This record gives sequence, C-alpha cells and structure tokens, in this order.
Amino acid sequence: GENVEQHPSTLSVQEGDSAVIKCTYSDSASNYFPWYKQELGKRPQLIIDIRSNVGEKKDQRIAVTLNKTAKHFSLHITETQPEDSAVYFCAASRLRNDYKLSFGAGTTVTVRA
Amino acid sequence: EAQVTQNPRYLITVTGKKLTVTCSQNMNHEYMSWYRQDPGLGLRQIYYSMNVEVTDKGDVPEGYKVSRKEKRNFPLILESPSPNQTSLYFCASRPEPGQGTTEAFFGQGTRLTVV
Repeated sequence: GENVEQHPSTLSVQEGDSAVIKCTYSDSASNYFPWYKQELGKRPQLIIDIRSNVGEKKDQRIAVTLNKTAKHFSLHITETQPEDSAVYFCAASRLRNDYKLSFGAGTTVTVRA
Repeated sequence: EAQVTQNPRYLITVTGKKLTVTCSQNMNHEYMSWYRQDPGLGLRQIYYSMNVEVTDKGDVPEGYKVSRKEKRNFPLILESPSPNQTSLYFCASRPEPGQGTTEAFFGQGTRLTVV
C-alpha cells in the first residue's frame, strides 16, 4: 500500500518568513496530492491540492510543487502570519480503485510574532 | 449546509462496554471512511466504504466494525473497547472520482477515552 512520509514534524518560523513542508510517497500510481490544515481543536480542512499532470499550483500565499519522478511533493507558505499556525497534513491518493487517502504524520507549524 | 456530522463529540467509557460513534453526511457522497488521529502518527484509516453495503478494511481495522446500510450513514462500532483505542476519531466523506472536487470533508471529531 501507499506510504507517505512527511518532514519536518515541527516547524517554527518568524512571522513574515516562509515555511516549507516536504512529503514523499511510495506508490507510483498515486495521482492526487492534497494538503490539509488542522487548527487546534478543529477538523482537518483542505487548503490546496495538485494532480499528477501538474507540476506546481499556487493559491495566494500557498503553493504546492510535485516531482513525480522523485515521488515527492512540497507545501510552501510565504509571508507567514499567526493564523498559519496549525498542523498540516499531506496525503496521496489514486483517483480510481480503492480511492484511499493515505496521510503523512503531520507537521506542527508555529508562527512566532 | 454541506456537512459531515459525528456524535458524540466526547465519550469516556470503560473497557469492554460496546459503543457506537455515528457519522452522517448530507452531500450524497459515495465514499466514506473512518480515521483515528494519534500524536506523531497522523491520520490512519480504520475502515472505508465505496458505496452502500460495500465496506473494506483500512490500515488499522482491528477492534472496529462498520456498516453502510444507507448512503448517508457510516457508524463506527467498538464491540469491546480497550484502552489502546483511546484516540481522536474522524469520519470523512468524498464524492466519486470524476464528480468534480475530490475533497474529503471531515466531521468534527470524536474524542474517545477508554478506561
């Protein structure tokens, strides 16, 4: 089955700096890679996703890059703000068959004021 | 409002006492799943269902059961809870691939403590 590894497990950044979270996956058939943000005491919510036919996707201050050859993808947050403090999960999935979402272990991001 | 609803939000129970956590979605999604969240381990899938009467094991199914008699409901059953099932549980639903978005929508979570 799919194995998703995520690094780092914790990340502390100064407000205004950038944050980068990296994930690797094992199943070459995976073709959908979402990122979820979980604020303290809340449910995970999708913030951005990318499909395997695209190398990069941006949405305001967040961007995701995908390297299918190396089987890794990354989340980039620029100009970090206090409200970016949360746990971030990467995931990988096939868009067919069992359609399972396999999650990484999560990264706790703390933005220092 | 499109949503996934779990109940209860918090539950403290004793070892061996059967319990059910309910999950309901109003988005007509085919795909539903249960996850448990533990520190340092992320979200691990317990069971999933591709459609009514179709369920299958995820990565950590031991000690759990599910059923999918109706499309909107996907209850999680712990027949004989043990302390190692103390965790935060999330139900999630997704539409079929090819239905536009592939986003997973999560319930509010159920904090279960087994003593």
